[in-house]
Amino acid sequence: DGGITQSPKYLFRKEGQNVTLSCEQNLNHDAMYWYRQDPGQGLRLIYYSQIVNDFQKGDIAEGYSVSREKKESFPLTVTSAQKNPTAFYLCASSKGTDLLPRAFFGQGTRLTVV
Amino acid sequence: AQSVTQLGSHVSVSEGALVLLRCNYSSSVPPYLFWYVQYPNQGLQLLLKYTSAATLVKGINGFEAEFKKSETSFHLTKPSAHMSDAAEYFCAVSGRLTGGGNKLTFGTGTQLKVEL
Repeated sequence: DGGITQSPKYLFRKEGQNVTLSCEQNLNHDAMYWYRQDPGQGLRLIYYSQIVNDFQKGDIAEGYSVSREKKESFPLTVTSAQKNPTAFYLCASSKGTDLLPRAFFGQGTRLTVV
Repeated sequence: AQSVTQLGSHVSVSEGALVLLRCNYSSSVPPYLFWYVQYPNQGLQLLLKYTSAATLVKGINGFEAEFKKSETSFHLTKPSAHMSDAAEYFCAVSGRLTGGGNKLTFGTGTQLKVEL
């Protein structure tokens, strides 16, 4: 079955460490997105990529980095520069750059700093 | 820039009662609007979308929403709540990204509780 897979589902990080969240899709979608979800704040866009080897900052990119070396993969690295990384992270994809009827979300990764 | 406002972070209804979740939008261009549902520790699932074809949009699980331009609203309704409807609901509007493409801008969410 086609879909988006995020791993791991739960992740614990020590302060000062970098961690990488995985997002893989087999939907042949061109565009991929990372959102951060915090209680009472909805979802906020971190980074997006409309095509392989290209990505753009979203609304809250500071302290994060991404890569898009393959169409299927869009990993997100939460760096030690991110002051408050504990959150639920959601990856999404869509065909082309049109997020209208064809946006799909992964199941999310819950990151906790310990 | 586009934005959405969801009124009421928590809504509680009795099983079998009407569900009404409110969403108002702000957009400088004709908007595309969405409702998503999220169950605990899961991703978002699309309930329905408005893309200007019809003002009354029917979605999955018996939900529907009506686009009212004069009120800049896109409220989500369901005639009879079921226990399985308990979840968090997000309204979203599609907006343009720098360099082309679109992104979804989400409201802050409404947690729906269904009581016996």
